[in-house]
Amino acid sequence: EDQVTQSPEALRLQEGESSSLNCSYTVSGLRGLFWYRQDPGKGPEFLFTLYSAGEEKEKERLKATLTKKESFLHITAPKPEDSATYLCAVQAGGTNAGKSTFGDGTTLTVKP
Amino acid sequence: NAGVTQTPKFRILKIGQSMTLQCTQDMNHNYMYWYRQDPGMGLKLIYYSVGAGITDKGEVPNGYNVSRSTTEDFPLRLELAAPSQTSVYFCATTRRNPNYGYTFGSGTRLTVV
Repeated sequence: EDQVTQSPEALRLQEGESSSLNCSYTVSGLRGLFWYRQDPGKGPEFLFTLYSAGEEKEKERLKATLTKKESFLHITAPKPEDSATYLCAVQAGGTNAGKSTFGDGTTLTVKP
Repeated sequence: NAGVTQTPKFRILKIGQSMTLQCTQDMNHNYMYWYRQDPGMGLKLIYYSVGAGITDKGEVPNGYNVSRSTTEDFPLRLELAAPSQTSVYFCATTRRNPNYGYTFGSGTRLTVV
């Protein structure tokens, strides 16, 4: 059974204080690891897909990295508008019909 | 280009009532999904479809049913609502290529009292 564990559950940062969010996973043949951002009262918004260990992707102040067991979402010099819940998800390979298994998320609050 | 549209946005049901949550996409994607999200939790897969006429159960299908008669529409039916079905329901769609992730609707917040 595929599993995704995210830590910490909540993270409070001062504006400009860089940090990382963790996503540990177990999956039978990784097809892709996904990061989403979710604002209160809205659906998740897709950020990145990572496929293999060593891969990195960046978008503005966010950088996602991947190892064989974990992914990190690094936030550099965050701003208050980066406050949101960040969800990690995995898809297994094979004929899984694109189904994703999600973690419980990390809620990030950035104070000005 | 609306993407994924869910209706209604909010609904209160009494125990034992039934309802249909609507989901429509204009992205011409074959893959569609229904997830539920309980407070402080991640998303759990209820049902999914890989194309018109094809549906299958996800992780938590009990108490729900789906149909997929067209590419665009993927309604979720709740029969005999129970308090345990109080949740936020999200519909999502994707291409077969995982580069693009899921596109989600804005959700339906359902309360069963």
